[in-house]
Amino acid sequence: RKEVEQDPGPFNVPEGATVAFNCTYSNSASQSFFWYRQDCRKEPKLLMSVYSSGNEDGRFTAQLNRASQYISLLIRDSKLSDSATYLCVVTSYNNNDMRFGAGTRLTVKP
Amino acid sequence: GAVVSQHPSRVICKSGTSVKIECRSLDFQATTMFWYRQFPKQSLMLMATSNEGSKATYEQGVEKDKFLINHASLTLSTLTVTSAHPEDSSFYICSASFSEGETQYFGPGTRLLVL
Repeated sequence: RKEVEQDPGPFNVPEGATVAFNCTYSNSASQSFFWYRQDCRKEPKLLMSVYSSGNEDGRFTAQLNRASQYISLLIRDSKLSDSATYLCVVTSYNNNDMRFGAGTRLTVKP
Repeated sequence: GAVVSQHPSRVICKSGTSVKIECRSLDFQATTMFWYRQFPKQSLMLMATSNEGSKATYEQGVEKDKFLINHASLTLSTLTVTSAHPEDSSFYICSASFSEGETQYFGPGTRLLVL
């Protein structure tokens, strides 16, 4: 079983749609959780951290469910510029030990 | 702040040659640097972690004699792929952090194609 699993997609949605991604992790001792965004042929960039209480940043909402060992990312009012691959990242001890999911590809269409 | 660069951004080489990739932290001193590899449609896989002045720590399954890592200064780490083969073709990404356990800042990646 992979340490971090994501639905690879692709998710094809129209502009303005709401889309949600889930990610599951296998290590119950995991400490920190993040969503990264990776554009084609580019490096990953931090989108947001994920906290137990859930957190929101504009159109993006992230939630963590420790009991079920999954995290989610909700994107509201999708924009064309949101098209990218979204990577779920989990660390078990500190930021030295980042484990990446394979990513979920999102395409927002006009 | 916290900018990391990589050079070259893209390299094509013949099978059997060695390729060196540089990773630099431009505006901060990076005690720890990481090297990842990403095959198409797959996740980033950590290859090794290096601390300045120390030998790199390699992940299981990564050959240390094939992937030579040098972290001689607080702003530069190099990855040398020795005797490259087509199966080494991949996207190599480095990251750097101020100190162990701190936030990693990623470089733009190097795309390697071995013919």
